[in-house]
Amino acid sequence: GNSVTQMEGPVTLSEEAFLTINCTYTATGYPSLFWYVQYPGEGLQLLLKATKADDKGSNKGFEATYRKETTSFHLEKGSVQVSDSAVYFCALSDEGPNNDMRFGAGTRLTVKP
Amino acid sequence: DGGITQSPKYLFRKEGQNVTLSCEQNLNHDAMYWYRQDPGQGLRLIYYSQIVNDFQKGDIAEGYSVSREKKESFPLTVTSAQKNPTAFYLCASKRGLVNYGYTFGSGTRLTVV
Repeated sequence: GNSVTQMEGPVTLSEEAFLTINCTYTATGYPSLFWYVQYPGEGLQLLLKATKADDKGSNKGFEATYRKETTSFHLEKGSVQVSDSAVYFCALSDEGPNNDMRFGAGTRLTVKP
Repeated sequence: DGGITQSPKYLFRKEGQNVTLSCEQNLNHDAMYWYRQDPGQGLRLIYYSQIVNDFQKGDIAEGYSVSREKKESFPLTVTSAQKNPTAFYLCASKRGLVNYGYTFGSGTRLTVV
């Protein structure tokens, strides 16, 4: 079945550092890929998405490129801020009407001033 | 503004009691989902519903029940058969067949006392 594997955390960075959170997936079809962010005590918010190979999703300075050849969707940001501290989830969803979302275990990011 | 409302935010239950978590959306979304989140873990799918009066079991449905009598509402009952119910429960919805990603509620934290 479909699954997502993301790098284990926690990740601790200093403000303005470069961020990479690795995500790889296993899927039988051509899934859409997503990154969600969760702030403490809240639900998940969609951060960015990509629906086909070589697409790049971007939002709020975060980027991720759908790499079919390496089955990856790594999240990057050039300069993190304290406000980026949160848990980040990689997810995939198959195309079709009965799809459901599969999530990675989440990576906790802490940015220190 | 449209969104998903989960209530209550915190819920305490005595062992052996059933409890119902509310999830209401005014986004006119067709599909709704319930996930369970445990500390340091990803999201696991409990139940989902693609249309009114129809729902399917997810990966961890045992000890839970749902109903979908209205498009806007998808309540989750945690029964006494659920052996380890203490967790953070998240409700989500998705618009039709198009894979825009999920919209999440802010969650309900259930604690068994």
